[in-house]
Amino acid sequence: GENVEQHPSTLSVQEGDSAVIKCTYSDSASNYFPWYKQELGKRPQLIIDIRSNVGEKKDQRIAVTLNKTAKHFSLHITETQPEDSAVYFCAASIEGAQKLVFGQGTRLTINP
Amino acid sequence: NAGVTQTPKFRILKIGQSMTLQCTQDMNHNYMYWYRQDPGMGLKLIYYSVGAGITDKGEVPNGYNVSRSTTEDFPLRLELAAPSQTSVYFCASSPARGDQPQHFGDGTRLSIL
Repeated sequence: GENVEQHPSTLSVQEGDSAVIKCTYSDSASNYFPWYKQELGKRPQLIIDIRSNVGEKKDQRIAVTLNKTAKHFSLHITETQPEDSAVYFCAASIEGAQKLVFGQGTRLTINP
Repeated sequence: NAGVTQTPKFRILKIGQSMTLQCTQDMNHNYMYWYRQDPGMGLKLIYYSVGAGITDKGEVPNGYNVSRSTTEDFPLRLELAAPSQTSVYFCASSPARGDQPQHFGDGTRLSIL
């Protein structure tokens, strides 16, 4: 079955700098790659997602890139702000599959 | 739309007690999921359902049971609570397939003492 590895497990950056979180997946048939943000004590919330027919997607300060050949995808956050501090989860799913496979999560801390 | 609603928000159980965690969604989503999240850890899938009357095990189903009699409701049952089941439980739903966005409820924080 699908396996998703996420790195790093923790990441600390200075406010205003960029943060990058990377995920690799095992099944080349995967076609859907969402990213979730979970603030402390809150529920995971979808922040951006990408499908395999595009290589990059942006939404203001966040972007996701996909490399199908290498089977990895990354979340990029630019001009980081304190409110970006959270745990971020990547996930992957095969077309028509019944569930998502989540990565282990990355705890991002933005230092003022 | 309320989205995905979970009750209760908090609960303390004694070892051996039973309880049902409630989950309901008003988005007419076919797929529903139960996850548990231990402190500082990721999401582990307990059970999921692709429609009323259809349920299947996830990666950590032992100690839990589910049912899906309606599209809206997907309750999770703990029969004999054990300390290892202390966790935060999230219910989620997605429209029609697994490769679509999942919408999460606010979670139930459960402690077994």
